[in-house]
Parts: sequence; C-alpha cells; structure tokens
Amino acid sequence: KQEVTQIPAALSVPEGENLVLNCSFTDSAIYNLQWFRQDPGKGLTSLLLIQSSQREQTSGRLNASLDKSSGRSTLYIAASQPGDSATYLCAVGYGGATNKLIFGTGTLLAVQP
Amino acid sequence: EADIYQTPRYLVIGTGKKITLECSQTMGHDKMYWYQQDPGMELHLIHYSYGVNSTEKGDLSSESTVSRIRTEHFPLTLESARPSHTSQYLCASSQDGAFNYGYTFGSGTRLTVV
Repeated sequence: KQEVTQIPAALSVPEGENLVLNCSFTDSAIYNLQWFRQDPGKGLTSLLLIQSSQREQTSGRLNASLDKSSGRSTLYIAASQPGDSATYLCAVGYGGATNKLIFGTGTLLAVQP
Repeated sequence: EADIYQTPRYLVIGTGKKITLECSQTMGHDKMYWYQQDPGMELHLIHYSYGVNSTEKGDLSSESTVSRIRTEHFPLTLESARPSHTSQYLCASSQDGAFNYGYTFGSGTRLTVV
C-alpha cells in the first residue's frame, strides 16, 4: 500500500530559526513529489514540485530535497517568519493514467514572533 | 492568482437538500480531482476524471456524484445532503506532458449540513 508519513506532526519555533520538515513514502517508484502549504480553512498552495529525476528544488527561503532510494523528502525553511505558520503537506504522485496524489498527514508549523 | 475556481466558498444547508459544488479551471488540464478533508485531517480522493466523459471513484467512498461534460468544468453533486457530509471539499487539476507541472488546487468549499 502506498503511504506517506510526515514528521513531526506539529512544530513550534521562534522567529528566525531554520527548520526541516520530513516526509517519507513507502513506494519509491514515484513520478514526482509536491510540497503544499495550507492555511486554516483554506485550499492548498503549491510550494515546490520535484520530479523523480531531480534531487532538489529551491524557491526563495524554501528548499526541498528528494531521495528516492530511501523514500524520503525534506522541506527546509530558512529564517522562519510568523507568516510561515501553516500546515505543510507532502504529496507523492505516481503518474500513470490517473496521476493520483497520495497525501501525508501534514506538519502544523507555528513560528512565534 | 487562482486558475481553478470553486464556488461557493462556504455553504450551510439543511438535511435532504440537493447541492452542487462548482469547480472550473482555465488551464486546459485534462485531469481533475475532488478531495474531501475533515478539519485537522488528511485529504482523501473521492472522485477523479481523465478527461471529458470520463469519471472514476476515488479511494474514499462517497455518496456524491460528478460529471465532466466540458474540459474546464467538474461539478460535484449531493442528491440528499446529510450532516455526515459536513466537510471541506477541494478541487484540483493536473496535466501530464513532457514536464509535469504538478497539481493546482482551488480554494475549497466548506460545506455544513444542519
């Protein structure tokens, strides 16, 4: 069964800290992996997309890495800000005709001013 | 800016009513999806579509139905709403190609059935 796990489930850090969110997946035959941000009661905002052939992607203060062989991805947030407070979701795509995404349970991040 | 639009944003409705949640995208994507998310819980796929006139049920059983008559439009219908249908419904789309651009999500519809 294809499963995606995220740890920690919740994280609280002071403003300015660098932090790492972890994502692991059981089936390493992935097509791509996408990190999303979700604010309370809102939809999902795509942060970074990593293709299976790539090892990392960067956007501003965010850097996502992918290690297919070990079934892991990390999202690194540099110099965290209170506005980064949200739930971060990791989702793995297995391509094919449907291209369904399998979502993790998310990490709830609180950045304290 | 959103290229995928969901309406209404919030809906409170009485038990037994028929409702349709709208989802439209302007990107010409072939694949569209409906996910259900209870507060604080993970997303579960309830319906997806490969393209026009193609719909399939997702991993989580749902009493809702969908249709895909036009590429850009993927509405979800509940014939008789019940309190157990109270949840957030998220629509998404994707397009395969030489370079996959991942999923784009709408803002969601928060449904409350009283």
